[in-house]
Amino acid sequence: EAGVTQFPSHSVIEKGQTVTLRCDPISGHDNLYWYRRVMGKEIKFLLHFVKESKQDESGMPNNRFLAERTGGTYSTLKVQPAELEDSGVYFCASSQVPAAGELFFGEGSRLTVL
Amino acid sequence: GNSVTQMEGPVTLSEEAFLTINCTYTATGYPSLFWYVQYPGEGLQLLLKATKADDKGSNKGFEATYRKETTSFHLEKGSVQVSDSAVYFCALKNSNSGYALNFGKGTSLLVTP
Repeated sequence: EAGVTQFPSHSVIEKGQTVTLRCDPISGHDNLYWYRRVMGKEIKFLLHFVKESKQDESGMPNNRFLAERTGGTYSTLKVQPAELEDSGVYFCASSQVPAAGELFFGEGSRLTVL
Repeated sequence: GNSVTQMEGPVTLSEEAFLTINCTYTATGYPSLFWYVQYPGEGLQLLLKATKADDKGSNKGFEATYRKETTSFHLEKGSVQVSDSAVYFCALKNSNSGYALNFGKGTSLLVTP
């Protein structure tokens, strides 16, 4: 069974440009999450999808971040325009039963904004 | 709010040494506690968990006990192996924050032969 896959693994962009990160969850997992780890800091929750609906987006830092999950399958996270402080590793995770707390994570997408 | 504090790394141990990684938390009510591990080149994966006070989570020789009186969930292993080299993250989930996990900063462990 394929795990959570993320693309790209690393992206380097200039400040002001746009980047789109993609996540393919484990097949059958209705719950999809985005997290972010800025260097030296904790992994922070960004948002939670249940199928195609945003269940909780309390962690989204500002309106430069847009997450979508069309058809309840894969998800994209767009940063537009990117700022220097957006650099970090963006993790996607999926789960079947969110209450259990067991999330299956992808390897992460490293974003470097210059 | 909810928060997790874990010991800073990196931690370097010789093979077969005893491991302790400290984790303390701040939360209201009765959170669930987790240890996640990230091996090189892989995503985070759940190592063990405990959902109520005095529960002990265990897996792959690792153990952690949910201590409400000290708000701690320290990770231990009696004899580490080179293959245990990874980054370990303590986390909590609290009903007052939906299904979001609150993570610590992570502790990097390097085990040498």
